[in-house]
Amino acid sequence: SSELTQDPAVSVALGQTVRITCQGDSLRSYFASWYQQKPGQAPVLVIYGKNNRPSGIPDRFSGSTSGNTASLTITGAQAEDEADYYCNSRDSSGNYVIFGGGTNLTVL
Amino acid sequence: QVQLQESGPGLVKPSETLSLTCTVSGGSISRYYWSWIRQPPGKGLEWIGFIFYSGSTNYNPSLKSRVTISVDTSKNQISLKLNSVTAADTAVYYCAREDRVSDNQGVILGWFDPWGQGTLVTVSS
Repeated sequence: SSELTQDPAVSVALGQTVRITCQGDSLRSYFASWYQQKPGQAPVLVIYGKNNRPSGIPDRFSGSTSGNTASLTITGAQAEDEADYYCNSRDSSGNYVIFGGGTNLTVL
Repeated sequence: QVQLQESGPGLVKPSETLSLTCTVSGGSISRYYWSWIRQPPGKGLEWIGFIFYSGSTNYNPSLKSRVTISVDTSKNQISLKLNSVTAADTAVYYCAREDRVSDNQGVILGWFDPWGQGTLVTVSS
């Protein structure tokens, strides 16, 4: 498969926990990375691999993978976490980069 | 701290060639992969292709026939050319550095960091 599927929109109450998922057959063989994109800005890497955070990314962001699903979890969502989130990985051949369609996160 | 800056015309006519340059500052191009990624207005991200500093490339199969990515290590620049453009190529174009982890069978993980700020290219007559 050459696709990564994300829910188009997810909402979470302020301070609560939210999980954003990314499904694809290739995730059984390749790890995912996650990006946060706010309006008018370039994407920013928030998680890569099993559960690695770049410096400067708050520890409320975490990642996990189970079977064909990668997840990004925000524990204690803040207003500033409202953004689009994209996953990326490889396609099933491993040769090409693919992105999920993105999830718009609303913090209520 | 490595920074990337895209530059090039913001308006291209249909059927012509889109040409962009990504200038890398604060670090060397060497030993890394560099990708072009685009985002049509209001839509998601699409990987265009990558180049290794040595010059080896790989392109999205859906764009391969129209894309050329090149590198100039002396100028610390990566270039993108997309020919025969149509309105569907209107997008914000980003360059990004890719880090990878590989096992004995190939790449198992790649991530893009940092990204350039992006540049909007509109295809219109």
